[in-house]
Amino acid sequence: AQSVTQPDIHITVSEGASLELRCNYSYGATPYLFWYVQSPGQGLQLLLKYFSGDTLVQGIKGFEAEFKRSQSSFNLRKPSVHWSDAAEYFCAVVTSGGGADGLTFGKGTHLIIQP
Amino acid sequence: DTGVSQDPRHKITKRGQNVTFRCDPISEHNRLYWYRQTLGQGPEFLTYFQNEAQLEKSRLLSDRFSAERPKGSFSTLEIQRTEQGDSAMYLCASSFALQGHRGTEAFFGQGTRLTVV
Repeated sequence: AQSVTQPDIHITVSEGASLELRCNYSYGATPYLFWYVQSPGQGLQLLLKYFSGDTLVQGIKGFEAEFKRSQSSFNLRKPSVHWSDAAEYFCAVVTSGGGADGLTFGKGTHLIIQP
Repeated sequence: DTGVSQDPRHKITKRGQNVTFRCDPISEHNRLYWYRQTLGQGPEFLTYFQNEAQLEKSRLLSDRFSAERPKGSFSTLEIQRTEQGDSAMYLCASSFALQGHRGTEAFFGQGTRLTVV
């Protein structure tokens, strides 16, 4: 079965600094990969996705992510964070060709922004 | 706003009562998913529908959980004889996909937060 690992439970970054959130997945073939963000009490908002093609994908709010097959990783980056980026970030994967598994999520990384 | 909507947003119930949640997906989406999210965890996939057909339900947490999507539009998730361990956020998502394909990205509603006392 597929799995997603987000090794950092919490990350603290100063406002204006760069950000990288790590995500590793376990799956034999090429998965569909996603990053979602969740603010307190809210549902999940899609930041970006990778299905195929260019391994560097751009998303909303200035985020980007890079798919690295050799490392089974899909790390999220942002060059300069804003206080409004403080939230919970989830990496997710869809692997079943039949679509039967839905999304498998990591446990999330809680991003704290220091002034 | 034509996003995924869920009702109610919050539900407090006594242990042993039945609860039902509703999800209205994005209108052109044919696939609908239910997830459960507990504190400090990522969402956990429960079940999904392709139009009105429930194609995966083995991940429902127990036989107290059931879901329907009678006309391929809105869906309901029912929990019978609620237990304190059922307290969680229940999220609904929708997407468009041809059967047998992974489809487009899923869009989530804001969830229903259930508290069992």
